[in-house]
Amino acid sequence: GQQLNQSPQSMFIQEGEDVSMNCTSSSIFNTWLWYKQDPGEGPVLLIALYKAGELTSNGRLTAQFGITRKDSFLNISASIPSDVGIYFCAGRSGGGADGLTFGKGTHLIIQP
Amino acid sequence: NAGVTQTPKFQVLKTGQSMTLQCAQDMNHEYMSWYRQDPGMGLRLIHYSVGAGITDQGEVPNGYNVSRSTTEDFPLRLLSAAPSQTSVYFCASSYSKYYSGANVLTFGAGSRLTVL
Repeated sequence: GQQLNQSPQSMFIQEGEDVSMNCTSSSIFNTWLWYKQDPGEGPVLLIALYKAGELTSNGRLTAQFGITRKDSFLNISASIPSDVGIYFCAGRSGGGADGLTFGKGTHLIIQP
Repeated sequence: NAGVTQTPKFQVLKTGQSMTLQCAQDMNHEYMSWYRQDPGMGLRLIHYSVGAGITDQGEVPNGYNVSRSTTEDFPLRLLSAAPSQTSVYFCASSYSKYYSGANVLTFGAGSRLTVL
């Protein structure tokens, strides 16, 4: 089956620092999604990408759909305490209804 | 507009017991799905449905049953719980099975299940 490698697994950063995380796939995707999960809650969509090369921003967050269609990255600028959580990438390769393939998550911890 | 509602939020079962996790959405979404989340494993698809009366298996369907008698509800049944089913379960829905524009997967808050 499809595999998604998400890195890093965890990040310990200082407030105000920029954050970068990425996902790579063993196969081509036509959709990349980035979700954030707060403790005790379900994942919430941050950014959706549908075209190779697409660069999309949502406030301090920027995500890109890699040109090879096998990777995507998420950047967070000037991190703040509420950015703490687990960030998941998710990709989809076909038109079927078999759901998304999720990365294992990047756990972001911000030290004041 | 409540979105995706899951009940119960927490449940403890003994091995061999059965139970149903409830999921309801009030957004008139065609597509509904169940995922399980385990430490270090990300989210894995259990079962999904593209409309009332239609269900199909995902990546990890063994030990779980689903049905979709209405558009709004998509319950997940564990017929004989096993410790390996200890996990956090998420229900998710979207308008259709095709992701584009504003049509993306919306998750419930999760149900944490412990099987002793």
